[in-house]
Amino acid sequence: EDQVTQSPEALRLQEGESSSLNCSYTVSGLRGLFWYRQDPGKGPEFLFTLYSAGEEKEKERLKATLTKKESFLHITAPKPEDSATYLCAVGYNNNDMRFGAGTRLTVKP
Amino acid sequence: NAGVTQTPKFRVLKTGQSMTLLCAQDMNHEYMYWYRQDPGMGLRLIHYSVGEGTTAKGEVPDGYNVSRLKKQNFLLGLESAAPSQTSVYFCASRLKGTNEKLFFGSGTQLSVL
Repeated sequence: EDQVTQSPEALRLQEGESSSLNCSYTVSGLRGLFWYRQDPGKGPEFLFTLYSAGEEKEKERLKATLTKKESFLHITAPKPEDSATYLCAVGYNNNDMRFGAGTRLTVKP
Repeated sequence: NAGVTQTPKFRVLKTGQSMTLLCAQDMNHEYMYWYRQDPGMGLRLIHYSVGEGTTAKGEVPDGYNVSRLKKQNFLLGLESAAPSQTSVYFCASRLKGTNEKLFFGSGTQLSVL
């Protein structure tokens, strides 16, 4: 069965303490791995798309990487404003798109 | 540019009542999606549409119906609401193609008593 699993469920960091979030998937016919950020009470906002193993994308303090079975979202020297829920999603051949349950990140000053 | 607009933002229903959630996008996107989001379960796909007049089932379609009569609108209907349908509903849209990012609305909080 196709699955998208994110870990950890929740992560608490001190400001400046770097860490990584994980998204593992068992999906046939993968056509893209996506990362989104969701703030409380709002819809998710797009961060990155990764298409193939070995690819990396960066935006400010965030860097996303992709292997054949998982993706990592690395957060370098996080700030309190990086606190949010981070969601990964996979795109299928049939234009379907499925999400993981998310990682709730809290960055304390 | 409004992007993706969902109405209503909040709604309370009694068990057995019906309602329709409206999603409108002004970006000329071909594809539109309805998700529900529950604590600890992330976003689950209900139905989606790849064009006007076409719809397809997602992971959790039971109890819901959809229609895409106009390209810019995607309607989600609940014919007989149940407490298990209490959730936050998100609509999203994107351009045609398999690697395009989704644009989300701000969500509808639905409670079924």
